[in-house]
Amino acid sequence: DIQMTQSPSSLSASVGDRVTITCRASQSISSYLNWYQQKPGKAPKVLIFAASSLQSGVPSRFSGSGSGTDFTLTISSLQPEDFATYYCHQSYSTPETFGQGTKLEIK
Amino acid sequence: QVQLVQSGAEVKKPGASVKVSCKASGYTFTSYYMHWVRQAPGQGLEWMGIINVSGGSTSYAQKFQGRVTMTRDTSTSTVYMELSSLRSEDTALYYCARAPGYCTNGVCYTWFDPWGQGTLVTVSS
Repeated sequence: DIQMTQSPSSLSASVGDRVTITCRASQSISSYLNWYQQKPGKAPKVLIFAASSLQSGVPSRFSGSGSGTDFTLTISSLQPEDFATYYCHQSYSTPETFGQGTKLEIK
Repeated sequence: QVQLVQSGAEVKKPGASVKVSCKASGYTFTSYYMHWVRQAPGQGLEWMGIINVSGGSTSYAQKFQGRVTMTRDTSTSTVYMELSSLRSEDTALYYCARAPGYCTNGVCYTWFDPWGQGTLVTVSS
């Protein structure tokens, strides 16, 4: 199975900050990497698919980059509604796997 | 709009089975694969398996092999996930999620969108 490791596991930041979350795969997954946002009591919502493609309707302050084993999700200027948990997900091979999550909290 | 609506919460005893439904609307049901993902309380996301909604073929995570069955009913645009021999560790929110795709240069990427609202399955004696 491909292991996905996110860092950090938690992060405190302020509105307006630039934030970067990283995700590392245990083997190359090309660009088969997606990012989701999950708020308490809600289902996850896709932000970025295929490593760098912005899902329709998602604000442009979200961006993704990387290929192979190392990926990043960047939020260019944090907004109050961005405080949530973020997960990376590889769809390169089954079993599809997720990172353990990064909880983004208000400083 | 595209929507996945899941069945309601369930409470089961250890050893029992549970069957969760996921009704799709707003798109051509047989054009997309469907996945099931679960989330234990306060924990991360765990992939359970996938069903080819058109042909009915399935692939399950090794962890659930022999205990999980995914089926679909094209006449009602509904997919089902049945988990048997339940134990306390199966207490979780169970999500269905559609898998759209994007193909470029012969490579096809998939992701999960949308997700159902989740069905809480509680296993307790």
